Amino acid sequence: DIQMTQSPSSVSASVGDRVTITCRASQGFSSWLAWYQQKPGKAPKLLIYAASTLQTGVPSRFSGSGSGTDFTLTISSLQPEDFATYYCQQANSFPHTFGQGTKLDI
Amino acid sequence: QMQLVQSGPEVKKPGTSVKVSCKASGFTFSSSAVQWARQARGQRPEWIGRIVVASGYTNYAQKFQERVTITRDMSTNTAYMELSSLRSEDTALYYCAASTSTSRFDPWGQGTLVTVSS
Repeated sequence: DIQMTQSPSSVSASVGDRVTITCRASQGFSSWLAWYQQKPGKAPKLLIYAASTLQTGVPSRFSGSGSGTDFTLTISSLQPEDFATYYCQQANSFPHTFGQGTKLDI
Repeated sequence: QMQLVQSGPEVKKPGTSVKVSCKASGFTFSSSAVQWARQARGQRPEWIGRIVVASGYTNYAQKFQERVTITRDMSTNTAYMELSSLRSEDTALYYCAASTSTSRFDPWGQGTLVTVSS
């Protein structure tokens, strides 16, 4: 199984800050990686797929990059509604494992 | 709009089975794949398996291989996940999500809480 490790596990930031979250895979793969935002009591919301493609309707302050073993999610200018937990998920091989999450709070 | 609506919460005894449904609307169900994942309180999502709707072909995580069955009914645009031999550790929110291209899992269902308790 491919293990996905996110860093940091938590981060404190302020409105307007730029934040970068990293997801590292135990085995390299090309680009089948997704990023999600999850708020308490809600289902995950797709932000980025194929490592760098912005899902329709997601604000352009979110961006994704990477390939191989290292992938990043960047939020260019934090907004109040961005405070949530973020997960990566690889879809390169089965099982489609998730990272442990990064909690973004004030 | 694209939507997945899951069945309601379940309370089950240890050793029994649960079957959760996931009804699709607003997109071409037959051209999608549906994955199932679960999330215990405060934990990361855990991938259970997926079905390619057109063919019915399934893939399961090794952890659940012996206990899970994912099916679909194309006449009602509904996918199902059945988990057997339930134990307390299976208590979690169970989610379905559809994809029309690799890694593009959207939409997600609202989640179904399965509680296993004697």
